[in-house]
Amino acid sequence: DTAVSQTPKYLVTQMGNDKSIKCEQNLGHDTMYWYKQDSKKFLKIMFSYNNKELIINETVPNRFSPKSPDKAHLNLHINSLELGDSAVYFCASSKRGVTDTQYFGPGTRLTVL
Amino acid sequence: SQQGEEDPQALSIQEGENATMNCSYKTSINNLQWYRQNSGRGLVHLILIRSNEREKHSGRLRVTLDTSKKSSSLLITASRAADTASYFCATDAGGNEKLTFGTGTRLTIIP
Repeated sequence: DTAVSQTPKYLVTQMGNDKSIKCEQNLGHDTMYWYKQDSKKFLKIMFSYNNKELIINETVPNRFSPKSPDKAHLNLHINSLELGDSAVYFCASSKRGVTDTQYFGPGTRLTVL
Repeated sequence: SQQGEEDPQALSIQEGENATMNCSYKTSINNLQWYRQNSGRGLVHLILIRSNEREKHSGRLRVTLDTSKKSSSLLITASRAADTASYFCATDAGGNEKLTFGTGTRLTIIP
């Protein structure tokens, strides 16, 4: 069974469009995260939610809006996509917080043309 | 920033040899974790070492932590082709509630 799943795996879109990436975890974890990995493999936290509450917003542009309808889901909506948004986006979850092991999804490769 | 630097950036060794990669960070930490990322996949947790620990083992993995030097090393013994991946260290500092990842070491095991 997949622990952390993301859809879609690949997303190719035009500049200016709005897109969403969905994430679900079936581990019963309290905390979920979104990370962005750039072309140089640098991985940076974007958002963190604990029990549906936002606890970290790491100076991400307002065009990015996470939404957590329940503890098991954390979706990422991106408005007005820009070329610089092209990257791989990873969802992750952990039982409580950052001191626990994080379980990563397979990633969504976003390409903005 | 707290971002870790990993050294070397890339490492190629023969199957069966040991691989050592290093991570340095800038500020005091609570824990340091190592993750592996296979090409095109998400990260997989390998091991966590707390700031009051100096060494930890898990199977063929050995991690050391030197808080005075703000550095950690990951040793993979008797490497296998399946160990080919990128390896990242990640740290969390007190009250920060986030993991900060290093730049990664790309390890290639030559069969």
